[in-house]
Order: sequence, then structure tokens, then C-alpha cells
Amino acid sequence: DIQMTQSPSSLSAFVGGRVTITCRASQTISSYLNWYQLKPGKAPKLLIYAASSLQSGVPSRFSGSGSGTDFTLTISGLQPEDFATYYCQQSYSSPWTFGQGTKVEVK
Amino acid sequence: EVQLVESGEGLVQPGGSLRLSCAASGFTFSSYAMNWVRQAPGKGLEYVSAITGDGGVTYYADSVKGRFTISRDNSKNTLYLQMGSLRAEDMAVYYCARVKNTLTGYSYYDYWGQGTLVTVSS
Repeated sequence: DIQMTQSPSSLSAFVGGRVTITCRASQTISSYLNWYQLKPGKAPKLLIYAASSLQSGVPSRFSGSGSGTDFTLTISGLQPEDFATYYCQQSYSSPWTFGQGTKVEVK
Repeated sequence: EVQLVESGEGLVQPGGSLRLSCAASGFTFSSYAMNWVRQAPGKGLEYVSAITGDGGVTYYADSVKGRFTISRDNSKNTLYLQMGSLRAEDMAVYYCARVKNTLTGYSYYDYWGQGTLVTVSS
């Protein structure tokens, strides 16, 4: 199975700030990388697919980049509703695997 | 509007069984593969099982193979997960998720349910 490693596991940031989360795959996965946002008690939400494509309806302050083994999710201009846990996921090969998550907290 | 609503939450003893359901609406259910994904307390997300749109092919994570069975009833727009021989490590919130496949070959979960809690304890 492909191992996905996210860093950091948690971070704190100010509203209006910029946040970068990294995700590394244990082998090359081209651009088969997706990002999700999880909030307690709510349905997980797709943010970015294919490494850098913004899902419809997702604010443009979210962006993704990378290919191969190294990827980043950036949130520019953090909003109160963005405090959540973020997961990367590879869909290059089965089984699809997730990173361990990054919790973004308010500073 | 696409909606996925899980049900079947419950407390089960180790070794017991439970069936989860996921009612889908707002899209042509039979046209989409569906997955179950879980999140154990304090842990990350873990793929559990997958099924093709016509129900003809199924896949399982090694951790549940032989104990869980995924199925679907396209006439009822409902996905199921029959869980047996439950263990403490199966305790989690279980989500159903729709698989989107793009024309360019990318795949991802574009819609998820809110999850249903399975507690395994004596």
C-alpha cells in the first residue's frame, strides 16, 4: 500500500493568515492526490482533486500543488470556518490511502 | 442536490454483527461506484470497502476482508455494509462516499455522508 505522510500534524494560525500543509507519498503517484476537509459531526468535504483542481463551490483561497511524491495544500486568508482537520488522499492505486490528517486551530 | 444519509448506528459486543445503510438521493445511484470509509476515535480516515455501480465487483481492505460485506440495491438507491465478527478496532464513524471518475482519469470522493457511529464494546 502507498503510505501518505502529512505534516505538520497540527498547527495554529490567525484568521487572515496563510497556512501550508504538506503531503508526501511513499512512491510516485503522479497527480492522483486529493484534499478533504473534516469538521466534527459534518460530512467530509472535497477541496482539491488531481493535486491542483479546485472542486466546484470551494473558495479560491484554497489551492493545491505538486506532483510525483510531494504535494501542498495552501489556504490564503484563513477564515473562521476553515478551522478543521485536513486530509490528503492518493487515488493512484488501490487501496486508496489517506494521510494522518492536519488539524488547523485558531491562534 | 446530492445527499448521502447513513443509518444503522449502534453498540455491539465483540464478535457481533451490524448492518449499516446509506440512502442516496439527487443523482443516478447506479451510475456511481460507492465506498465505505471509516474514522476510528482519534485516528485518521481509512478506506473500508468499495462496490461498482452495478454491484458486480467488490473490494475490501485487508483489515475487514472475510468479515464485512458491501452490497447495494439500486432499485432502492441504497448502499449497505454488513459487518460481522466485530472487533474493538472496528469501532469508528463509518462514512459512505460517492466515487467520481473524471474523463481525464482522475478519481476522488466528491460527496460524503455525515457518518454513523459503530461502537464495539462489551
